[in-house]
Amino acid sequence: DTGVSQNPRHKITKRGQNVTFRCDPISEHNRLYWYRQTLGQGPEFLTYFQNEAQLEKSRLLSDRFSAERPKGSFSTLEIQRTEQGDSAMYLCASSWELGGNTIYFGEGSWLTVV
Amino acid sequence: QKEVEQNSGPLSVPEGAIASLNCTYSDRGSQSFFWYRQYSGKSPELIMSIYSNGDKEDGRFTAQLNKASQYVSLLIRDSQPSDSATYLCAVTLYTGNQFYFGTGTSLTVIP
Repeated sequence: DTGVSQNPRHKITKRGQNVTFRCDPISEHNRLYWYRQTLGQGPEFLTYFQNEAQLEKSRLLSDRFSAERPKGSFSTLEIQRTEQGDSAMYLCASSWELGGNTIYFGEGSWLTVV
Repeated sequence: QKEVEQNSGPLSVPEGAIASLNCTYSDRGSQSFFWYRQYSGKSPELIMSIYSNGDKEDGRFTAQLNKASQYVSLLIRDSQPSDSATYLCAVTLYTGNQFYFGTGTSLTVIP
């Protein structure tokens, strides 16, 4: 069994470009989370899905950010018109509703906006 | 208002000593508590979860929860250099919702 898988692992993009990250959760997990982490900070919650429904969104998730989980399996996080402040590690995590609420993180996707 | 607070450290302990990491949280409705370890450049990995008052032991790790004082701690016995990492405390208000993370405590175990 593989853990949470994220790609690309690293992305360097020019300011103003759009980027998309993909997350494949642990296969039996129906809950999926996106977090953002910058140096010296803990992960900050962005959004949460249960199956295909997006149940919570942080105020951090501006209009430039959108997340989808169309079939309740993998998820994508798109950032439009990237800004230098978007540079961070984007973490995906998943959990199983009936297995307690422990979340397991993927390896993260590093974004650098130049 | 910060939900979860941790001393950022760095905390240094000699090899073989006990490392004590502390965390306080602000919301009395917090129900679940977690400790994650994060090596530099890597993603957080779960060490322990604790849900009720008291101690929970797992190998060299002991988590302690005191809901009245809104305090959760992690003790690492017989600290090893491989324990050198940042330790993140996380709480949830109720099952399935967002996890609130502290900023983490940096631990260095000196050989």
